[in-house]
Order: sequence, then structure tokens, then C-alpha cells
Amino acid sequence: EDQVTQSPEALRLQEGESSSLNCSYTVSGLRGLFWYRQDPGKGPEFLFTLYSAGEEKEKERLKATLTKKESFLHITAPKPEDSATYLCAVNTGGFKTIFGAGTRLFVKA
Amino acid sequence: DAGVTQSPTHLIKTRGQQVTLRCSPKSGHDTVSWYQQALGQGPQFIFQYYEEEERQRGNFPDRFSGHQFPNYSSELNVNALLLGDSALYLCASSSLRGDTQYFGPGTRLTVL
Repeated sequence: EDQVTQSPEALRLQEGESSSLNCSYTVSGLRGLFWYRQDPGKGPEFLFTLYSAGEEKEKERLKATLTKKESFLHITAPKPEDSATYLCAVNTGGFKTIFGAGTRLFVKA
Repeated sequence: DAGVTQSPTHLIKTRGQQVTLRCSPKSGHDTVSWYQQALGQGPQFIFQYYEEEERQRGNFPDRFSGHQFPNYSSELNVNALLLGDSALYLCASSSLRGDTQYFGPGTRLTVL
């Protein structure tokens, strides 16, 4: 069965303390891997799409990377406004997208 | 450029009632997917609509049904509401199968 697992469940950082979030997946075939940011009570906000192993994408303090079995979301020098839940999702070529449970990030000033 | 819109924002119903949620896709998108998100969990796929047809369904009972209109907007209907149906219901739109989906703000449904 296709599965997406995110770790850690929660991460507490000091402002400026860089770290990485992990998304591991077990799927029959990967068409695309997606990262979203979600603030409490709101819809997910699109961040990145990755299609093949070795691909990397950056946006401000965020950088997403992809291997054949996992993806990382690297956060460089985070700020309090980066506090949110980060969701990873995969599409295997069908019409269904499978989400992980998310990593809740807390950045303290 | 208008993004994905959903209505209503919040809704309170009692067990056994029926509810209809609405979604308008992002401009230029023709595919709409619906998700249920319980507190502390990731979104769970309910179904996807394209060309007014349901293309795939997740593990949800027949109490959950949908519709897509010629203008690509969509409705999610839930019959015989249960307490466990309380969740944030998200609509997402895209332009190609499997391509990036953009989400609306969601409808918070509370079943008492």
C-alpha cells in the first residue's frame, strides 16, 4: 500500500537555528512529490513540486530535495513567521494524492 | 488571479442532517479534488472530478457524494451526518491529472 511518513511530528527551533524535515514514501511509482505549508485553520499553501531524484528547489529560506525514497525540506535561519505545519504529499500517476500527517514547526524568537 | 474559493467558512449541523459544501476552482483549472482533514492529521482524499465525472474515490462511504458543474465549480454533499464527520473540508484544483493542486481556505464542519 502506498504510504507517506513525515518526521519528526513536531520540531522546536530557536530563531536562526537551521534544520531539516523528512518525508519518506513507499509508493508503486512516483509522478510528483509536493510540499505545502499550512497555518492553523487554513488551507494548505503550495511550496514546491519535485518530479525526479536529484531535483532541488528553493524559495527564500526553504530548500526541498528529492531522492528515490525520501524528500527533505531544509529550513535555513528560520524566523518565527516560519512556524506552521509542513505537509508532504505524493502522486503516483493516478488521480489520488496521498498526504503525510505533517511536521509542526515552532520557531521561537 | 482568483484562487480557489470555498463556502461556507464554518458550518454547524446535528447528527443525521445533510450538508452541501461548495468550491470554485482557480482560474484556468478544470479538475477539482475534495479532502477531509481531521485535527492533527494530513488531508485524506475523498474524490476527484473532471469533466463533470467522478474519476476516483478514496476510502469514504457512499454518504459522501459530489458534483461538478459545466463552469468547473463543484459541490460536496454528505448525508446522514455522524459525529466523526466533523473536520476541515478542503477543495483543491489543478489543470492536469497529478499536477500541482492549489487549495482553498476550507470549510470547518462541526457535527453535534
